[in-house]
Amino acid sequence: EAQVTQNPRYLITVTGKKLTVTCSQNMNHEYMSWYRQDPGLGLRQIYYSMNVEVTDKGDVPEGYKVSRKEKRNFPLILESPSPNQTSLYFCASTRTSGGSYNEQFFGPGTRLTVL
Amino acid sequence: RKEVEQDPGPFNVPEGATVAFNCTYSNSASQSFFWYRQDCRKEPKLLMSVYSSGNEDGRFTAQLNRASQYISLLIRDSKLSDSATYLCVVGGAGSYQLTFGKGTKLSVIP
Repeated sequence: EAQVTQNPRYLITVTGKKLTVTCSQNMNHEYMSWYRQDPGLGLRQIYYSMNVEVTDKGDVPEGYKVSRKEKRNFPLILESPSPNQTSLYFCASTRTSGGSYNEQFFGPGTRLTVL
Repeated sequence: RKEVEQDPGPFNVPEGATVAFNCTYSNSASQSFFWYRQDCRKEPKLLMSVYSSGNEDGRFTAQLNRASQYISLLIRDSKLSDSATYLCVVGGAGSYQLTFGKGTKLSVIP
């Protein structure tokens, strides 16, 4: 089954304690991205990756890092989480071959609370 | 001006009603247009792409007006299961990045 998985699904942590949210897709997609979703603000892109070792900032990258060492994995790293990073996070992937835009598949989401 | 704007909602409609959502986008170079559906606390899922000629999928009809930079979604004969938030999504030219509207919440009432 084609899917995007994220772990953990729920996380409560404290300010300053480094954490990583993993994301993996089994569809051999080149393009992956991370979003955060906050009430009244909608989905905002944090980082994206066009392929292995190619990453770039989205609209709200401050306080986040990513890496793309393998095509299937795109972890999101919070080196020093702060309460304003409390949010619902989604990983997404899409196929980019063929030149046209294709459906973006989302993971189930990670609900992060930073105390 | 916000990049993608949607009706603020929420829309509360009775079963069987027809409901229309509207969306405007600011980037005239946008090339791809979609409606996504998001259930409460779940991930967004593609409902339908929107083509210049308009397209229909069962009870759902999407329209695009490039001149006015306007997208619409029409849902006929609303079902309880249509209750969700509908996201208008626009993709840029030469880019796989998507810009999401804030969404419009629909509640279909028995």
